[in-house]
Amino acid sequence: NAGVTQTPKFRVLKTGQSMTLLCAQDMNHEYMYWYRQDPGMGLRLIHYSVGEGTTAKGEVPDGYNVSRLKKQNFLLGLESAAPSQTSVYFCASSYQRESVDTQYFGPGTRLTVL
Amino acid sequence: DAKTTQPNSMESNEEEPVHLPCNHSTISGTDYIHWYRQLPSQGPEYVIHGLTSNVNNRMASLAIAEDRKSSTLILHRATLRDAAVYYCILSALDSNYQLIWGAGTKLIIKP
Repeated sequence: NAGVTQTPKFRVLKTGQSMTLLCAQDMNHEYMYWYRQDPGMGLRLIHYSVGEGTTAKGEVPDGYNVSRLKKQNFLLGLESAAPSQTSVYFCASSYQRESVDTQYFGPGTRLTVL
Repeated sequence: DAKTTQPNSMESNEEEPVHLPCNHSTISGTDYIHWYRQLPSQGPEYVIHGLTSNVNNRMASLAIAEDRKSSTLILHRATLRDAAVYYCILSALDSNYQLIWGAGTKLIIKP
């Protein structure tokens, strides 16, 4: 099993450009999450999904959109990147909701917006 | 949101036990306590979680105070591979059980 994989690993964007980050999991998990982590800080939840075709906002959703067309994939989109979105982005998945289940994390995508 | 307080950093010697403290004085009865760790340049990794009772697994033990206002993660015999940032996290009913992450404790293991 590959677990949780993220594509790409690194990306540099110019302000105003758009991009999509892909997260894939092969554990048949229902729940998937996108977080961002700024230097020296903990993770903050951007959006999450409780199943195929459903998404919900987390703590810091502004400037991001997500889609969960297939159970195994969770996409994070930046329509018009801003320097404030420079961060490391982590995807995670879990079988059940966070309170009772382990979240499995991907290796992260390091995004720089110039 | 229920929040946690952890020391910024701790040092320990290799092959000795490590006790990582966490204060969560505003915890409510339905809040879970989770511990994750993050090795350098990697994604976080689950360590342990609990609600009221102490918990043990192959990685660590979680000791929860009787009033639940604090908890301690215990690594029974630290190795150099345990050097990481350890996050004590609450998941609260009033935030839809989302994990609310703090800045964590950077654990330094001395050989």
